[in-house]
Amino acid sequence: QITLRESGPTLVKPTQTLTLTCSFSGFSLMTSGVGVGWIRQPPGKALEWLGVIFWNDDKRYSTSLKNRLTITKDTSKNRVVLKMTNVGPADTGTYYCAYRDCTNGFCPGLSWFDPWGQGTLVTVSS
Amino acid sequence: SYELTQPPSVSVSPGQTARITCSGDALPRQYAYWYQQKAGQAPLLVIYKDNKRPSGIPERLSGSNSGTTATLTISGVQAEDEGDYFCHSADLSGRDEVFGGGTRLIVL
Repeated sequence: QITLRESGPTLVKPTQTLTLTCSFSGFSLMTSGVGVGWIRQPPGKALEWLGVIFWNDDKRYSTSLKNRLTITKDTSKNRVVLKMTNVGPADTGTYYCAYRDCTNGFCPGLSWFDPWGQGTLVTVSS
Repeated sequence: SYELTQPPSVSVSPGQTARITCSGDALPRQYAYWYQQKAGQAPLLVIYKDNKRPSGIPERLSGSNSGTTATLTISGVQAEDEGDYFCHSADLSGRDEVFGGGTRLIVL
């Protein structure tokens, strides 16, 4: 059974760097075709794709946020870390990590996210 | 940047058919995926690769993709189908992924 869980601060001040950790079980990020993505959702708004990291360390980032995002993996600890620099109030929202298996298609590349973590709410405020 | 367009809301009576559309210029070349999100919960994959249904998803949910529009169809809508539905795909390069703005399904 694949599970993912996000963790990190619930409150961050403007201009600071947000660091979130996705801890997972039931798979290895050393397995070919596997990836972990990050998606966020401002309160009452739509999902926004942030990026994804694959088993081979290929990383894809949202065009609009790529200058502020870094995704890394620690395969020995089964963790993926998202760093977002220079946060502001617009970065407030629930942040999700999710599992991706792209082996039945063009890989690494677009595929579905399933399952998702429960999400963690981050508020940016002074 | 690439965008996927969904109607903000769709309203149907129980037992009727709901159709939720997702429009994007790259959809003729990229698969569409659909997620259901109920209040306070994480999204749940309901359709992958345009029209495939994950195990455990009711047969009344189906998907299609034709031209620049992907469609999620829910036949015989039930009260439990109420929630937000998001499509997901990517631009022509496949590297820039995006979610649609979401559609709230209201069961009258």
